[in-house]
Amino acid sequence: DVKVTQSSRYLVKRTGEKVFLECVQDMDHENMFWYRQDPGLGLRLIYFSYDVKMKEKGDIPEGYSVSREKKERFSLILESASTNQTSMYLCASSSHGVGGNYGYTFGSGTRLTVV
Amino acid sequence: KQEVTQIPAALSVPEGENLVLNCSFTDSAIYNLQWFRQDPGKGLTSLLLIQSSQREQTSGRLNASLDKSSGRSTLYIAASQPGDSATYLCAVSRGSQGNLIFGKGTKLSVKP
Repeated sequence: DVKVTQSSRYLVKRTGEKVFLECVQDMDHENMFWYRQDPGLGLRLIYFSYDVKMKEKGDIPEGYSVSREKKERFSLILESASTNQTSMYLCASSSHGVGGNYGYTFGSGTRLTVV
Repeated sequence: KQEVTQIPAALSVPEGENLVLNCSFTDSAIYNLQWFRQDPGKGLTSLLLIQSSQREQTSGRLNASLDKSSGRSTLYIAASQPGDSATYLCAVSRGSQGNLIFGKGTKLSVKP
């Protein structure tokens, strides 16, 4: 069974801390994504990566950075956590073929609370 | 700018009913459209993927259609069951790397 694994299910951090959210996929997918999900706002794309060491900004990259040193791992970094970054964070991966993308697999999510 | 709208925001039906969830998008230049299911506090599960060249996809009791020219998709659920209760999300792919733009979802409740 293919998987996207997020390292933490729940996380509580203090304002100003540097926070790392880890995501690993075992499907040899080229593309990986980080979304956040908030009530009333839906899912919004933070960053994505279509290859090792490549990254692209999504719709809301401010306050975040990412790292993709290996194909299977995509890390989201909150440089200095703030309370407005309290959210559900979802990682996803997908493969890319001729004619478009071949569908997403999502992780179970990390619910981050910044106090 | 692509926008995805789902109507209704919430729906409650008795068990056994057939139902339709609606999704509309403003820009017809999409690569594909996907329907997802999300249970409370969980991640998303992919249900159906329709490539831009396709008109519909079926999986079990689910059927999704796509009309690119009108910017619409529907998800049809036959013979609904309480286990179908979840939030259903529609998303369109805006690029070859597959960046998705999501609707806000329809929260479905199927009563026994």
